Amino acid sequence: KQEVTQIPAALSVPEGENLVLNCSFTDSAIYNLQWFRQDPGKGLTSLLLIQSSQREQTSGRLNASLDKSSGRSTLYIAASQPGDSATYLCAVPGGTTSGSARQLTFGSGTQLTVLP
Amino acid sequence: DAGITQSPRHKVTETGTPVTLRCHQTENHRYMYWYRQDPGHGLRLIHYSYGVKDTDKGEVSDGYSVSRSKTEDFLLTLESATSSQTSVYFCAIRGGSGAFFGQGTRLTVV
Repeated sequence: KQEVTQIPAALSVPEGENLVLNCSFTDSAIYNLQWFRQDPGKGLTSLLLIQSSQREQTSGRLNASLDKSSGRSTLYIAASQPGDSATYLCAVPGGTTSGSARQLTFGSGTQLTVLP
Repeated sequence: DAGITQSPRHKVTETGTPVTLRCHQTENHRYMYWYRQDPGHGLRLIHYSYGVKDTDKGEVSDGYSVSRSKTEDFLLTLESATSSQTSVYFCAIRGGSGAFFGQGTRLTVV
């Protein structure tokens, strides 16, 4: 079974700070991990997909790392801006009721607020 | 953006009535999912599909059924809607480039 935890649940930072969001998972037999962003009242937008063969993936000010052996991933946001305020979720293959890699399990998310 | 659309976007229905939500994709992805999102519970998997006519239950499948008769369409049916099924429902598709979500359906059962 797969369980995904994201800490902290909420984070508030001043504009311009660099920050790190954490994601941990219990079943390390994953072949990828994906980070999403969700704005209030909206759907999820894919940010980064890291394959198990990769250790990092970068897109603009975002950098995601994956350490399968420790069951952890981090999302690094450089020079944060108020427009980065959203909830960030990570997802891995695997189910909460079965280990099937056909399923996709999400963490509960980190709600980020970047203050002007 | 990935080609995935949900309909309707908003619906209000009465307790005890059947409701069907539709998810349509243009990406030809094998995997399709239905999630519900509620405050304090995050995203919870209802049902998923791994091919035409191949479906399986998620962690909160009671009271829901699904069908996939074509690659592009995945239907979620609430057999007899209850107030506990008031939620935001998201459809997702997954392929080699990851998972992508629809914009959601806000369902209110009164």
